[in-house]
Amino acid sequence: SQKIEQNSEALNIQEGKTATLTCNYTNYSPAYLQWYRQDPGRGPVFLLLIRENEKEKRKERLKVTFDTTLKQSLFHITASQPADSATYLCALANDYKLSFGAGTTVTVRA
Amino acid sequence: NAGVTQTPKFRVLKTGQSMTLLCAQDMNHEYMYWYRQDPGMGLRLIHYSVGEGTTAKGEVPDGYNVSRLKKQNFLLGLESAAPSQTSVYFCASTSGQGSQPQHFGDGTRLSIL
Repeated sequence: SQKIEQNSEALNIQEGKTATLTCNYTNYSPAYLQWYRQDPGRGPVFLLLIRENEKEKRKERLKVTFDTTLKQSLFHITASQPADSATYLCALANDYKLSFGAGTTVTVRA
Repeated sequence: NAGVTQTPKFRVLKTGQSMTLLCAQDMNHEYMYWYRQDPGMGLRLIHYSVGEGTTAKGEVPDGYNVSRLKKQNFLLGLESAAPSQTSVYFCASTSGQGSQPQHFGDGTRLSIL
């Protein structure tokens, strides 16, 4: 069965540093990979989407890479700020259903 | 811009009771979904709908039923609540397939005693 794994440990980083999150998957060949942000007590909010034929996507301080050979996506937050503290979820899709990872919690210290 | 609205936000039930969770979206989206989120397990798909009048089972459908009588509403029912159904339930909608983002509500926190 398909499996999606994100960093099991929470990530604590200093303000201004780059946070790097991983999303690994097995038994799956997704056409799309999405990243979401979730704040405590709120629903996930969409951040970025990358297609299987794209290597990298950027949006402001966010960068996503997608390596279909390694079956891995990396999510980078550059010049991190305390406001970036949240849980980040990766999700894989081929059609209209998403399969989510458990998420990685990021805490940015001022 | 309401987006996706879930009702109620919190609920406590006793084992064996029934209830319905309501999801409403104002974006004219065709696709709607119900997920549950448990600690350390990520979002798991319960049921989904690809259009008005249609429903389909997701990954964890047992103990739940759904209906999509109107395009903007998607209802999730628990016929006989069990403690294992204690969770946070999220509704989402999207205009298209995997190339489109899903829009989520803020969840219903349900406790079954």
